[in-house]
Amino acid sequence: LAKTTQPISMDSYEGQEVNITCSHNNIATNDYITWYQQFPSQGPRFIIQGYKTKVTNEVASLFIPADRKSSTLSLPRVSLSDTAVYYCLVGDHGRDDKIIFGKGTRLHILP
Amino acid sequence: GAVVSQHPSWVICKSGTSVKIECRSLDFQATTMFWYRQFPKQSLMLMATSNEGSKATYEQGVEKDKFLINHASLTLSTLTVTSAHPEDSSFYICSASVGQGAYGYTFGSGTRLTVV
Repeated sequence: LAKTTQPISMDSYEGQEVNITCSHNNIATNDYITWYQQFPSQGPRFIIQGYKTKVTNEVASLFIPADRKSSTLSLPRVSLSDTAVYYCLVGDHGRDDKIIFGKGTRLHILP
Repeated sequence: GAVVSQHPSWVICKSGTSVKIECRSLDFQATTMFWYRQFPKQSLMLMATSNEGSKATYEQGVEKDKFLINHASLTLSTLTVTSAHPEDSSFYICSASVGQGAYGYTFGSGTRLTVV
């Protein structure tokens, strides 16, 4: 499993776009990049996954440069309800492979 | 989508007693489930991998005699905290794989255990 590095915490304001970058210098060829969101006292929730370039869904966008050594989760027009911890995970997860979580980024949205 | 139901959502028990936490896959079969523990302001820590019909695999440093895991069917895994002590108070989360890739993992809503 590739080691990931994310900022420990970030603050932003409602309505702003928030970008959280994750470094994964040792990413392997078969590895995917996945982001999870966790609210207090809840289990993590899948946000988005990508392999290269850009992926967008109804919640977020994921930007992955050509060298894949980093990735950026972009949350458009955040609201107070986006206050959560965001985890970047990198791995070639087989069906039953375990997931090891890093420290994550604690995002705090201010009014 | 695939749902994992975890029960109870919170429990308070006396020191020295045992507590059982259930994790059920509602609309899919889970041959493998995972148990995590999370302390306040910290990340999830993997405790063990639960395999249907066989013994669980524990991570280094996790006491297998204290945290008993049973995965007797394809839809149910249980974690029993035996002889609980205040230091076992934590947030316990289960997860299961629903397919290939990390997106295939779904998590339960967690169980807040408080030992008094």
